Amino acid sequence: EADIYQTPRYLVIGTGKKITLECSQTMGHDKMYWYQQDPGMELHLIHYSYGVNSTEKGDLSSESTVSRIRTEHFPLTLESARPSHTSQYLCASSKSGRADEQFFGPGTRLTVL
Amino acid sequence: GEDVEQSLFLSVREGDSSVINCTYTDSSSTYLYWYKQEPGAGLQLLTYIFSNMDMKQDQRLTVLLNKKDKHLSLRIADTQTGDSAIYFCAESIESSASKIIFGSGTRLSIRP
Repeated sequence: EADIYQTPRYLVIGTGKKITLECSQTMGHDKMYWYQQDPGMELHLIHYSYGVNSTEKGDLSSESTVSRIRTEHFPLTLESARPSHTSQYLCASSKSGRADEQFFGPGTRLTVL
Repeated sequence: GEDVEQSLFLSVREGDSSVINCTYTDSSSTYLYWYKQEPGAGLQLLTYIFSNMDMKQDQRLTVLLNKKDKHLSLRIADTQTGDSAIYFCAESIESSASKIIFGSGTRLSIRP
């Protein structure tokens, strides 16, 4: 079982609030990722990181920001949540290597009212 | 561009084999993956195949890769109710620096 954790699992919040979705992994993986997934739909990469102090935007434009101050921690922040941000957010990590297998956290389901 | 396509739904009888198909467009893919997602959960890596292989078997799972046609399939033998989930095909492309491109997922349902 993968050691990658996300909190909270579920969050319902009002428009305009600032929120931070937490993601931590204890596997020592250098690469970490955030995906956005609407129910029953494909995953869209919104942010990724190759290591400490490295962050890149993914293929889907997102108003969220990320930081990578520690290897094990990759939080995602929305400064002002809007209903259009309602979605599931999945965090993943991988170790540099031949197969680059990504291990996923359980996800945070965010609802913005 | 990079694209991975799958059919959206598959229904099989319990005990039969399930075959989930996937096509991809980028010929420079290095690894191809199959992930499983159960309701309310993250994705779980089931298996992967290196692009220079054409088959990989792991217990009830068989992955077939036809590189010429850019076609990947996942066969689940003796399908059980616990196999109900969404299955995502994905590819990694060396030129995209370790990013993985996911398909839209195939929802597998099992009927008694």
